[in-house]
Amino acid sequence: AQTVTQSQPEMSVQEAETVTLSCTYDTSENNYYLFWYKQPPSRQMILVIRQEAYKQQNATENRFSVNFQKAAKSFSLKISDSQLGDTAMYFCAFMKQRDYKLSFGAGTTVTVRA
Amino acid sequence: SAVISQKPSRDICQRGTSLTIQCQVDSQVTMMFWYRQQPGQSLTLIATANQGSEATYESGFVIDKFPISRPNLTFSTLTVSNMSPEDSSIYLCSVEVAGETDTQYFGPGTRLTVL
Repeated sequence: AQTVTQSQPEMSVQEAETVTLSCTYDTSENNYYLFWYKQPPSRQMILVIRQEAYKQQNATENRFSVNFQKAAKSFSLKISDSQLGDTAMYFCAFMKQRDYKLSFGAGTTVTVRA
Repeated sequence: SAVISQKPSRDICQRGTSLTIQCQVDSQVTMMFWYRQQPGQSLTLIATANQGSEATYESGFVIDKFPISRPNLTFSTLTVSNMSPEDSSIYLCSVEVAGETDTQYFGPGTRLTVL
């Protein structure tokens, strides 16, 4: 079974600043996918970013970018120019290729201060 | 991606009763899933909803407690049966969209409180 670890239960960041969320995972697989999902208080799970393990290039989506270190099994999320709307719980998730089952970390609560 | 809706958005139920949650997608999807998120916890996969056949349940979840239907490519239901307070959770459906394999999009969730 895959284990996904998010070691930061809570993070606080000033508006317009940058915050980095950590995620590590444990797997013996070579082909897999990694995701960051955002869950605001409305509870809707929103896909933020997706990374394919076979791609060395780090994925980016506007203000969101990842630092994927396959050998270290690390997948951190950087939120640049933080906005109040970024306040949410962020979940890191792992999926083996064609397995369909997402394994989630415990989540990190991010609060953006005005 | 896809537009996913769930009904009801929230409900408060008495123990011993059952609640059926609906998940509707605006386009045909290849896979549909049901997750549970207990208070303050992460998400746990309950089952994969298979069109025209019995759902595939994860360890710890059984059909008698969580019967699932999927009559077509865009609709699925999850029933939480004989509820107890421990079933109080957010229940979310997710889908894999054709052409976007290995990526799941989630519905808005149903917040269930059992008294």
